[in-house]
Amino acid sequence: EAGVTQFPSHSVIEKGQTVTLRCDPISGHDNLYWYRRVMGKEIKFLLHFVKESKQDESGMPNNRFLAERTGGTYSTLKVQPAELEDSGVYFCASSLGGGVYGYTFGSGTRLTVV
Amino acid sequence: SQQGEEDPQALSIQEGENATMNCSYKTSINNLQWYRQNSGRGLVHLILIRSNEREKHSGRLRVTLDTSKKSSSLLITASRAADTASYFCATAGSSNTGKLIFGQGTTLQVKP
Repeated sequence: EAGVTQFPSHSVIEKGQTVTLRCDPISGHDNLYWYRRVMGKEIKFLLHFVKESKQDESGMPNNRFLAERTGGTYSTLKVQPAELEDSGVYFCASSLGGGVYGYTFGSGTRLTVV
Repeated sequence: SQQGEEDPQALSIQEGENATMNCSYKTSINNLQWYRQNSGRGLVHLILIRSNEREKHSGRLRVTLDTSKKSSSLLITASRAADTASYFCATAGSSNTGKLIFGQGTTLQVKP
C-alpha cells in the first residue's frame, strides 16, 4: 500500500509570503494528523482530523495557520503570512482507529522562511 | 520540562554493541510508541507498548514500560551502522484522542 505522501519536500519562502503544504494519507485512514518540529525542539502536535472534521486543533499556534481536509481525503496546511519562527519540518500522519496500532508518518515538508 | 523527555540526547557506539535509550513522561497514558527518523526522512513507527504491558519485543528491539515510574526504555541489540538515526518516544494519553506527545529524541550513531 502507498504510504503517507507529503509535498513539497522542501519549501523556501520569504517572510510575509503564503505557503501551502499538502498531505495525502493512506487510503481509508480516517484519522489525519499534522505535527511540526521547529529547529532543535521536540515534535509538536498541531491538529487532528477525523474524516473532514477537525477533532482537535489545540496545537495550532495562531490564526496564520489554516488546515483543511475537504472530502476527507487529502489535507492542506496553509501558512499566511509566514513568519521566521514558522521554519521547521511539518509532518503528517494517518491512522486507523485513532492510532491504537501506531501511526504512519510522511517524510515531512521542510519549510524555511527567510 | 517537556513530557516525553529522553536520555541520552546523543549516543555513539560501535557496531555489534547494544544501545539503550530512555524516555520519561508526566501524565497517564494509553500507550507509548517509539519512532525512528533517518536523516532527512520521515518518522518510522518501530513499536507500540500499551499501558498494561511491561515488555515487548520486535526483532532486535526490546521495549520496557514502567508506569509507576512513568518511564520506558528502548534497547537495540547487536546494533548495525544502518541503525544510525534519531529515536523518539511518543505517548498517547489515557483518553486516547490520537494526539501524541513526543520527546526531543536520542541521536544514535553506530560506527562500523
